[in-house]
Amino acid sequence: QVQLVQSGAEVGKPGASVRFSCKTSGYIFTDYAMHWVRQAPGQGLEWVAWVNPANGNTKYSPKFQGRVTITLDTPADTAQMELRSLRSEDTAVYYCAFSSFLEAGLDYWGQGTLVTVSS
Amino acid sequence: DIQMTQSPSTLSAYVGDRVTITCRASQSIRSWLAWYQQKPGKAPKLLIYKASNLERGVPSRFSGSGSGTDFTLTISSLQPDDFATYYCQEYDTYSWTFGQGTTVEVK
Repeated sequence: QVQLVQSGAEVGKPGASVRFSCKTSGYIFTDYAMHWVRQAPGQGLEWVAWVNPANGNTKYSPKFQGRVTITLDTPADTAQMELRSLRSEDTAVYYCAFSSFLEAGLDYWGQGTLVTVSS
Repeated sequence: DIQMTQSPSTLSAYVGDRVTITCRASQSIRSWLAWYQQKPGKAPKLLIYKASNLERGVPSRFSGSGSGTDFTLTISSLQPDDFATYYCQEYDTYSWTFGQGTTVEVK
């Protein structure tokens, strides 16, 4: 069955960087774009970026452009997100998710990675 | 970028009530709209895709309608498991913007 398993919680200092991952299984990794969505404590969902694993093309929300990089480890069926120049407002749960068919919304989600920015 | 506005922000209802949540896009998104349900500490769950299509396994009391800029999510008879937060999301553009969410709480 399809699974998206995200790496464990991360703590980063203001100004530093964090990296976390989303390991997939149960489907062909390069067939579907992978999205990243975040949710600050008590707040709503915020779309961050997507990556096309077939060709590495990415699209970032303007809010995160320049601070976020999505990378791929295709042999490991894994996507990674790096967030740089951390700010307190980056404290959030970060989810990976994808659409399994063209017309769908995001029908498969990881369990989320909590990123805490603290000095 | 497209802005997605949901209303109300909070909705108080009884079990058995008919509940409607609206979502408005700042420009036409045709029918490229999804609805999600989220419970505390859990990832969102897809309910409706392409405005009116019920995701597999989702109870038929959930329905979606609309196109262009105005959309609705309806729960025909609210059940105890339905108290949660609901989000709309557009996917007509490259930026998959979410609405701010509607929390359905017990009245």
